Amino acid sequence: AQTVTQSQPEMSVQEAETVTLSCTYDTSESNYYLFWYKQPPSRQMILVIRQEAYKQQNATENRFSVNFQKAAKSFSLKISDSQLGDTAMYFCAFTSGTYKYIFGTGTRLKVLA
Amino acid sequence: DGGITQSPKYLFRKEGQNVTLSCEQNLNHDAMYWYRQDPGQGLRLIYYSQIVNDFQKGDIAEGYSVSREKKESFPLTVTSAQKNPTAFYLCASSRGGVMIETEAFFGQGTRLTVV
Repeated sequence: AQTVTQSQPEMSVQEAETVTLSCTYDTSESNYYLFWYKQPPSRQMILVIRQEAYKQQNATENRFSVNFQKAAKSFSLKISDSQLGDTAMYFCAFTSGTYKYIFGTGTRLKVLA
Repeated sequence: DGGITQSPKYLFRKEGQNVTLSCEQNLNHDAMYWYRQDPGQGLRLIYYSQIVNDFQKGDIAEGYSVSREKKESFPLTVTSAQKNPTAFYLCASSRGGVMIETEAFFGQGTRLTVV
């Protein structure tokens, strides 16, 4: 079975600092996609970044970047220059074309002023 | 603007009653999904549909039912058989098919409370 694990239930970071959220997954598929979603207090799920498994280059979106380690099945999210608006739940997600998106249990991030 | 609309935002149900949550999308997506969100448990898949008139059970389908009579609509019924229905419910859609690279798009959710 495919699983996604987020081992950090809560984290905090000072404004303008850098924080890394961890995610590991398990699959026997060779072709798949990984995502990080943000859920702010409004509870609207927002895509932060995506990574294709066949691409070795780590994805980057402005202050957000990933460290994708395929052999280790690890997919961490780095947030640089943290802002108060980054305070949210962050979910790691996986899909391999089976029409299902599998989510981790989430990491609650609080950015401190 | 294209998107996914869930209604209502808040819903109260008496024990023993069935209740239906609405989900409509105008993104022309083939695939639609229902997730349940509980504190500390992330998003758990209830049902999903790859195409009109077809749907499959997810990981926690017991006590729920769905229909997919139109491409843009995927309502979820929470039946009286669901023992602990109080939760936040999220509807999502994606292009589906071989386009696995696309992300799932989400509605704003429905908070269901049993009173």
